[in-house]
Amino acid sequence: GESVGLHLPTLSVQEGDNSIINCAYSNSASDYFIWYKQESGKGPQFIIDIRSNMDKRQGQRVTVLLNKTVKHLSLQIAATQPGDSAVYFCAENSRNTGGFKTIFGAGTRLFVKA
Amino acid sequence: DAGVTQSPTHLIKTRGQHVTLRCSPISGHKSVSWYQQVLGQGPQFIFQYYEKEERGRGNFPDRFSARQFPNYSSELNVNALLLGDSALYLCASSPWSGDEKLFFGSGTQLSVL
Repeated sequence: GESVGLHLPTLSVQEGDNSIINCAYSNSASDYFIWYKQESGKGPQFIIDIRSNMDKRQGQRVTVLLNKTVKHLSLQIAATQPGDSAVYFCAENSRNTGGFKTIFGAGTRLFVKA
Repeated sequence: DAGVTQSPTHLIKTRGQHVTLRCSPISGHKSVSWYQQVLGQGPQFIFQYYEKEERGRGNFPDRFSARQFPNYSSELNVNALLLGDSALYLCASSPWSGDEKLFFGSGTQLSVL
């Protein structure tokens, strides 16, 4: 079936440390994956994406890794800052006739300790 | 440039009533999607519209309907409200229908009493 799940519901890290948020997906036909960040009172905000023909993509302080063999995604945040505290969702795009839908996981809440 | 705007920001209704939520996409974006987010969970897909046509529907009852207007704004309608419809309703726009990243509004918080 279609589902995107996360291994850990909460993650607490010290400011300056690196954070790793993991995610498993079940649809082996998915070919586009996205990480979103949601702060309190706001809608999800795009962080980084990756297509299935890649296994790694880097942005500013963030890296996404994709392991298609085990259907696993991870988001790495370097030098985590207090402003990184939020809920992080991995998501996959599923195509349908003439359109698409984005399937979100349950989310991981990241706490950054000063 | 303005982002995705949704109105109202908060709404309180009683069971059995109906509600209309509104969304204006980012200028130039032709696709609008609606999501329901229950507290503590990820957003759940309700509808996607592109060029005023429904392009996708999630697993929601027929009480939920939507439409997109010529200016690409959109409305989500929910009839015969149930307590379980209480949630944050998110609208997202994207430039076109394909493998797209979504740009979300801040949502409408609906409480059904």
